[in-house]
Amino acid sequence: AQTVTQSQPEMSVQEAETVTLSCTYDTSESDYYLFWYKQPPSRQMILVIRQEAYKQQNATENRFSVNFQKAAKSFSLKISDSQLGDAAMYFCAYRSGDTLAGSYQLTFGKGTKLSVIP
Amino acid sequence: DAEITQSPRHKITETGRQVTLACHQTWNHNNMFWYRQDLGHGLRLIHYSYGVQDTNKGEVSDGYSVSRSNTEDLPLTLESAASSQTSVYFCASSESSGDSTDTQYFGPGTRLTVL
Repeated sequence: AQTVTQSQPEMSVQEAETVTLSCTYDTSESDYYLFWYKQPPSRQMILVIRQEAYKQQNATENRFSVNFQKAAKSFSLKISDSQLGDAAMYFCAYRSGDTLAGSYQLTFGKGTKLSVIP
Repeated sequence: DAEITQSPRHKITETGRQVTLACHQTWNHNNMFWYRQDLGHGLRLIHYSYGVQDTNKGEVSDGYSVSRSNTEDLPLTLESAASSQTSVYFCASSESSGDSTDTQYFGPGTRLTVL
């Protein structure tokens, strides 16, 4: 079974600075997908960014980017120019790429609580 | 706009009672999922369905059941509620594809308290 580990229960960052959230995972598969979800105090789960394992290029979405190191099984999220609205729980998630077997479910890490200091 | 809704948003019940949490999506997605979120555990998969009449057990399925009679709905039933089932429950849905359209979309969550 796959496991996802987020080793930082809490992080803080000054407004306008950059912060990196860590995620490592364990899998024997070569094809899979990785995600970062954001959960603000409203509790809504919001997709931040998605990475396909077969793509070597790191995904980016505006101020959010990832550092995907497949060999090291590492998938960190970098938030640039942090804003007050970035304060939230962030979850890393893994999904098998074996869609022929119907593997669409996500395995989540335990989350990192990010605080943004004005 | 397509959406995924959950009801009720908050529920308080007593130990031993049967409880059903509703999930309804208008995305016309094949895949639907139920997760529970507990402090220190992240989100854990309870049950999932990849189509009408299809249901599968997830990591923490004991004490829960689901049924899928149509595409839009996947109700989650707690057969006999226990205090250990106090949690926040999330429903999600996704398309069946191998591209970005299979991203999971989440409902707003249901906070369940079992006394």
